Amino acid sequence: GENVEQHPSTLSVQEGDSAVIKCTYSDSASNYFPWYKQELGKGPQLIIDIRSNVGEKKDQRIAVTLNKTAKHFSLHITETQPEDSAVYFCAASPQGQKVTFGIGTKLQVIP
Amino acid sequence: EAGVAQSPRYKIIEKRQSVAFWCNPISGHATLYWYQQILGQGPKLLIQFQNNGVVDDSQLPKDRFSAERLKGVDSTLKIQPAKLEDSAVYLCASSLAQGAGDGYTFGSGTRLTVV
Repeated sequence: GENVEQHPSTLSVQEGDSAVIKCTYSDSASNYFPWYKQELGKGPQLIIDIRSNVGEKKDQRIAVTLNKTAKHFSLHITETQPEDSAVYFCAASPQGQKVTFGIGTKLQVIP
Repeated sequence: EAGVAQSPRYKIIEKRQSVAFWCNPISGHATLYWYQQILGQGPKLLIQFQNNGVVDDSQLPKDRFSAERLKGVDSTLKIQPAKLEDSAVYLCASSLAQGAGDGYTFGSGTRLTVV
């Protein structure tokens, strides 16, 4: 089955700086890569996703990149704000199959 | 639209007791998932339903866990008997159709503590 590794496990940045979270996956059949944000006491919320037919996707301050050859993908958050503080999960899924999550990255944005 | 509803929010039980969790997905979402999230880890799929049929229950500990979705809408997850290692947040999610491409909507989860 799919195995997703995520790092770092914790990340502290100053407000206004950028944050980068990296993930690798094992199953070459995976073609869907969502990212979730989980705030304390809440369920994960989908913030952005990317499919294998594109290499990059942006949504305001958030961008994801995908390198299928190397089997890794990354989340980039620019101009971080205190409300970006949360746990972020990457995930991977082969078409129509279950989503496998990474272990999570706890992001702390320091005002 | 209303989100995925779960209850209860918190539950504390003693080991060997039984417990049940309830989930009501977003209206019209055919696919329902139960995930287990142990503290400090990512969610792990326990079972996936398509309407009222089971699509994937390969990681469900069937000797103690059971789940049903009788009318293809809401679902219950039961643990009997509970073990200490079952302490976790149990998340329910739903999507329009089978396949991750639709994106999941998660509920807020039920935090279970087994003592």
